[in-house]
Amino acid sequence: EVQLVESGGGLIQPGGSLRLSCAASGFTFSDHWMHWVRQAPGEGLVWVARLNPDGRATDYADSVKGRFSISRDNAKNSLYLQMNSLRAEDAAVYYCARGVGGNCGGDCFFDYWGQGTLVTVSS
Amino acid sequence: DIVVTQSPLSLPVTPGEPASISCRSSQSLLHSNGYNHLDWYLQKPGQSPQLLIYLGSNRASGVPDRFSGIGSGTDFTLKISRVEAEDVGVYYCRQGLQIPFIFGQGTRLEIK
Repeated sequence: EVQLVESGGGLIQPGGSLRLSCAASGFTFSDHWMHWVRQAPGEGLVWVARLNPDGRATDYADSVKGRFSISRDNAKNSLYLQMNSLRAEDAAVYYCARGVGGNCGGDCFFDYWGQGTLVTVSS
Repeated sequence: DIVVTQSPLSLPVTPGEPASISCRSSQSLLHSNGYNHLDWYLQKPGQSPQLLIYLGSNRASGVPDRFSGIGSGTDFTLKISRVEAEDVGVYYCRQGLQIPFIFGQGTRLEIK
């Protein structure tokens, strides 16, 4: 059974840093693109970042570029999101999601999502 | 950026009746590979999003056949042939053609 379990969320002051983790199981983690998607309270889904299977290619939303860094450890079946210079508008539930689909270089859509971890940015 | 716009944003439906949600893209989502890079997700209350339809018209594993996706290019529609109580939640389309990937605003389906 495919499972994605996020952790690392919490309350952080503006300007602070936080590292989110996503533990993957039930599939060959190193074969898949992985993504972070966030959802502010009461709001819609916003794509944040993605990382290719070998960890060498990344893409970011403009709103987090230069502040957030996505990485992975395939030996530990884990995805990470390092978040620096956090702002109030970064407060959200952060989901990791698995990319899949051979017609798009392996990243057509998101077939599994974690349960999310809540990040609160407040002084 | 390729923006996708959903309508309506709120959709009250009587059980057993059909429902449809529109998703329009600011640019064509038809890739040279012949596929439309448009997905649909449902976020049930208190849950994570779940995949319903991928590449415009393909039902994900385990999704009931009352759900269907149609459309091509810039105009897409999610259809539910007969709404059931368990279909309540927020439906999102997403363009997967170009970075940044963008979700629609969401359509909240509720039971009348």
